[in-house]
Amino acid sequence: QKEVEQDPGPLSVPEGAIVSLNCTYSNSAFQYFMWYRQYSRKGPELLMYTYSSGNKEDGRFTAQVDKSSKYISLFIRDSQPSDSATYLCAMTGRYNFNKFYFGSGTKLNVKP
Amino acid sequence: DTEVTQTPKHLVMGMTNKKSLKCEQHMGHRAMYWYKQKAKKPPELMFVYSYEKLSINESVPSRFSPECPNSSLLNLHLHALQPEDSALYLCASSQAGRGPAEGEAFFGQGTRLTVV
Repeated sequence: QKEVEQDPGPLSVPEGAIVSLNCTYSNSAFQYFMWYRQYSRKGPELLMYTYSSGNKEDGRFTAQVDKSSKYISLFIRDSQPSDSATYLCAMTGRYNFNKFYFGSGTKLNVKP
Repeated sequence: DTEVTQTPKHLVMGMTNKKSLKCEQHMGHRAMYWYKQKAKKPPELMFVYSYEKLSINESVPSRFSPECPNSSLLNLHLHALQPEDSALYLCASSQAGRGPAEGEAFFGQGTRLTVV
């Protein structure tokens, strides 16, 4: 079983839709959760960072962490064609904090 | 400033060449990383430096040799690579030590390496 599971997609939505991206994980020691956006042939860009549980909002993006279910989500409101990219979740734990575990990435396509 | 700068952006090298990739950050981060990413795959960890000391080596072949000359710089020396080593090489950095910020990692734009 992989440490982090993420649906690879592709996920295709019309412009303006609400997008929900999710990851599940198996290691209850994970405490730090990140969402990255990666455009083709570019490095991952950190979108959202959450420590422990709860919600975090930044503009059109909302990150949620449910540690009891070992489930994290990224919501994108009013999606734009420029949001078309691969979204990677990543996480790590306090006792191995230098080793980040990545999901496989979800490819999102927002159609105009 | 949350920038991690990598040079060069592109590199083509022969299997007998020696080259180096460079990474620089000025965020005061004391953990720096090298990742390798193949097309349509997530990044794979290669090396981690924590406080300028190598703390993780993910069983990477010796043809890849990391170096951390100071807290802002990270190098990856390449020698006798194989065509299958062609990939996007990513540098990242984060705070080290304990605390809520230690998991927040920033990536550079990568060096696209082609081995011919």
